[in-house]
Amino acid sequence: DSGVTQTPKHLITATGQRVTLRCSPRSGDLSVYWYQQSLDQGLQFLIQYYNGEERAKGNILERFSAQQFPDLHSELNLSSLELGDSALYFCASSVNPVGTEAFFGQGTRLTVV
Amino acid sequence: DAKTTQPPSMDCAEGRAANLPCNHSTISGNEYVYWYRQIHSQGPQYIIHGLKNNETNEMASLIITEDRKSSTLILPHATLRDTAVYYCIVRSPLSSNYKLTFGKGTLLTVNP
Repeated sequence: DSGVTQTPKHLITATGQRVTLRCSPRSGDLSVYWYQQSLDQGLQFLIQYYNGEERAKGNILERFSAQQFPDLHSELNLSSLELGDSALYFCASSVNPVGTEAFFGQGTRLTVV
Repeated sequence: DAKTTQPPSMDCAEGRAANLPCNHSTISGNEYVYWYRQIHSQGPQYIIHGLKNNETNEMASLIITEDRKSSTLILPHATLRDTAVYYCIVRSPLSSNYKLTFGKGTLLTVNP
């Protein structure tokens, strides 16, 4: 158990819909990362927050957004969903913003039908 | 952050040592070598990291060459549960690039 909690574990939704994925970091970790992993694809970095502020942005679509709340949990919002958004979404947390030792949750499997 | 090169796949017999190489010939002085692994569809797992000295923990050993241009992750007694994709990442704790970027890694298959 990494200490990072992601909910829900599985999510099935229709095209065009909007979903919210939630991540609770390890106790004491201030930095949260979001990654997308499509079938047979590598881990694609989406976005990172540190202590409530956005610190780095990767290949995140404009239909996607994220935020980190004062209690340090983070949410990833995916809207106008397309079939191609079906993927595993991982959250990771680390103590520092550089994230050299990052701990990953077990992911949310999103299926868009 | 320095670029790394890993073989796409390796096989290992159960109970034997698995030695996973990583080339990072452009590594700079303040960059550490990190290893993660991802067992199928699970979240990646941090394994070990080091700067220039060899490191060992309960999961693995990390051997870094003296010139720091390459390293080897050693799983001393591989089990079937060690079958996973192993990622070698080089980065500096002083980096202003906050992205933690994973390459393609090495798929290690442990055979019975």
